[in-house]
Amino acid sequence: DFVMTQSPDSLAVSLGERATINCKSSQSVLYNSNNKNYLAWYQQRPGQPPKLLIYWASTRESGVPDRFSGSGSGTDFTLTISSLQAEDVAVYYCQQYFSPPLTFGGGTKVEIK
Amino acid sequence: EVQLVQSGAEVKKPGESLRISCQGSGYSFTTSWISWVRQMPGRGLEWMGRIDPSDSYTNYSPSFQGHVTISADKSISTAYLQWSSLKASDTAMYYCARHVDYSNPLDYWGQGTLVTVSS
Repeated sequence: DFVMTQSPDSLAVSLGERATINCKSSQSVLYNSNNKNYLAWYQQRPGQPPKLLIYWASTRESGVPDRFSGSGSGTDFTLTISSLQAEDVAVYYCQQYFSPPLTFGGGTKVEIK
Repeated sequence: EVQLVQSGAEVKKPGESLRISCQGSGYSFTTSWISWVRQMPGRGLEWMGRIDPSDSYTNYSPSFQGHVTISADKSISTAYLQWSSLKASDTAMYYCARHVDYSNPLDYWGQGTLVTVSS
């Protein structure tokens, strides 16, 4: 199974400042035939279901603000919130869909400093 | 608008059986898979398994194989997650989520069904 490891477990960022979350996969999620990374990011606000933010490691889902961006390839990925807003308080999860069973990172809790 | 609407919260005793549901609307139910995801209290997300509603073919995570059953009734655009004998450790929030196949992310999620198992 692919083991997804996120860091940090939590972070507190001031409003308007940058938040950076890391995700490392135990195996590459890059499919060489199409050069796509099978890596998604989800946001889970308190009391809500998860919401897809980014897929193919860097493609924003429709309607997701452009302050959210994803980067990385192979085994190392990053989710960046360029200017933290109050509504971004949530737990963020990475997930690989390269190979079943689908696996998630442990989550990173983002709070306001 | 794509929607996945799940059945309501359940309180059960250990050893009891349970089936929860997830009804899709706003899209052709048989053109996407439905996965089930567990979230234990204060914990992260765990993929349990998936079903292709067009033919009811299922795959399970090894961690859940034999403990739950996933099924679907395409005539009413509904997927199910079932237990034959609940344990206290099954207490969790359960989400259904849609994806086209394994090569695509979980793009729409249900609101969740809270299952509490307590004597």
